[in-house]
Amino acid sequence: DGGITQSPKYLFRKEGQNVTLSCEQNLNHDAMYWYRQDPGQGLRLIYYSQIVNDFQKGDIAEGYSVSREKKESFPLTVTSAQKNPTAFYLCASSMRQGSNQPQHFGDGTRLSIL
Amino acid sequence: DAKTTQPPSMDCAEGRAANLPCNHSTISGNEYVYWYRQIHSQGPQYIIHGLKNNETNEMASLIITEDRKSSTLILPHATLRDTAVYYCIVRGGHTGTASKLTFGTGTRLQVTL
Repeated sequence: DGGITQSPKYLFRKEGQNVTLSCEQNLNHDAMYWYRQDPGQGLRLIYYSQIVNDFQKGDIAEGYSVSREKKESFPLTVTSAQKNPTAFYLCASSMRQGSNQPQHFGDGTRLSIL
Repeated sequence: DAKTTQPPSMDCAEGRAANLPCNHSTISGNEYVYWYRQIHSQGPQYIIHGLKNNETNEMASLIITEDRKSSTLILPHATLRDTAVYYCIVRGGHTGTASKLTFGTGTRLQVTL
C-alpha cells in the first residue's frame, strides 16, 4: 500500500542531544512537509521541500534542520538549539505544490524530553 | 484561503449516516473544499475534496451547494472508529509557505452505540 511512514512513533531526547525523525513516502510525491502540533493546537509548518535537493524554511524553522537527498525521504533533525521540542511531529507529502492535490500525512512521532 | 465555520461537536448513532456541515461563504472560484479527520494521537487523514460537483469515494461523500457557500460531508454508515475531529478546509493551489495546511477548530464527532 502507498503511504507515508514515520519512525519512531515515540522518541525521547536528553538535554543537549540532537535527534532525527524519519519520514519516508512511496507515493511518488514531489513535495514534502514537516509540521509540529502542540496539544489542543493546530499545525505549524517547520520546513517544506518542493523537489529533491531543495528545501525551504517554514514558519518555525529555528532549532530544526532537514535534508532531501532522495525523493522518498525527508528526515527532520531536532537540534539542541530547539528549547521546547516536546510536541507531536507530522510529516506530509503532496503531488506537487501549487496543485489542488491534497496533502497526505504520516502517523506522527511524539517527541518528549527526558 | 476562505474562512470556514463548523459546529464544535456532533453525535451520531452507530450505523446511521453522519452529516457534517461546513459554511464557507467567502469561497472564491478556484478554491477547493477539503475534508480531513484526526483521531486522537494519530496523524490527520485525508478524506475527500471537491470543487463544485458532488464527490464520492470509499470513505465518504461530499455534497457542495450550487452557490458553493456550504458543503456537507456524509459518512454513510458511521462506526465507532469514525469518532474523531473533522476539519473542513477551503484553499486554492499555493506554493511556498502558503502551501501549508491550516486546521481550524473542526467538529468533534462522537459515534455512540
